[in-house]
Amino acid sequence: GNSVTQMEGPVTLSEEAFLTINCTYTATGYPSLFWYVQYPGEGLQLLLKATKADDKGSNKGFEATYRKETTSFHLEKGSVQVSDSAVYFCALSEGGGATNKLIFGTGTLLAVQP
Amino acid sequence: NAGVTQTPKFRILKIGQSMTLQCAQDMNHNYMYWYRQDPGMGLKLIYYSVGAGITDKGEVPNGYNVSRSTTEDFPLRLELAAPSQTSVYFCASSGGSGTTIYFGEGSWLTVV
Repeated sequence: GNSVTQMEGPVTLSEEAFLTINCTYTATGYPSLFWYVQYPGEGLQLLLKATKADDKGSNKGFEATYRKETTSFHLEKGSVQVSDSAVYFCALSEGGGATNKLIFGTGTLLAVQP
Repeated sequence: NAGVTQTPKFRILKIGQSMTLQCAQDMNHNYMYWYRQDPGMGLKLIYYSVGAGITDKGEVPNGYNVSRSTTEDFPLRLELAAPSQTSVYFCASSGGSGTTIYFGEGSWLTVV
């Protein structure tokens, strides 16, 4: 079945460091790919998405490119801030599926130190 | 600008008790979902609905029931609470296939 694999956390960085969180997926068909962010004590918020191969999603300085050849959707940010500390979830939605269900990775905790 | 609203936010239950987690959305979305999030894990789908009167099981439905009598509301029922149901529960909604899924703020449930 479809699945999402994320790099293990926690990831601890200093402010202004470069961030990469790896995400790979297994899916039949052509899924849409998402990154969600969960700040402490809050629900999940959509950070960015890409719906087809080679699409780049971007938001708040974060970027991720849909790579079909490597089945990856790695999250990157050039310069992290303390306020970026959160749990980041990679997810996929089966392309063309009538139910629009999301399959999530296990999440990666990011801690940014000043 | 309410979006997806869940109640209660926190609840402690004793083993064997029953309760209902409420979820309402004001975006006129047809699709609604219930997920649970266990510590250090991703979200697992419990039940979902693609419209009023239609519900279906997700990945981890055992111990739960749902109903969808209106487009706006999608309550989740725990009939006989067990410690294994200690988790954070998220309700979500979307406008349809391929559209963005919006989440509520979560309900923290502890069963003792």
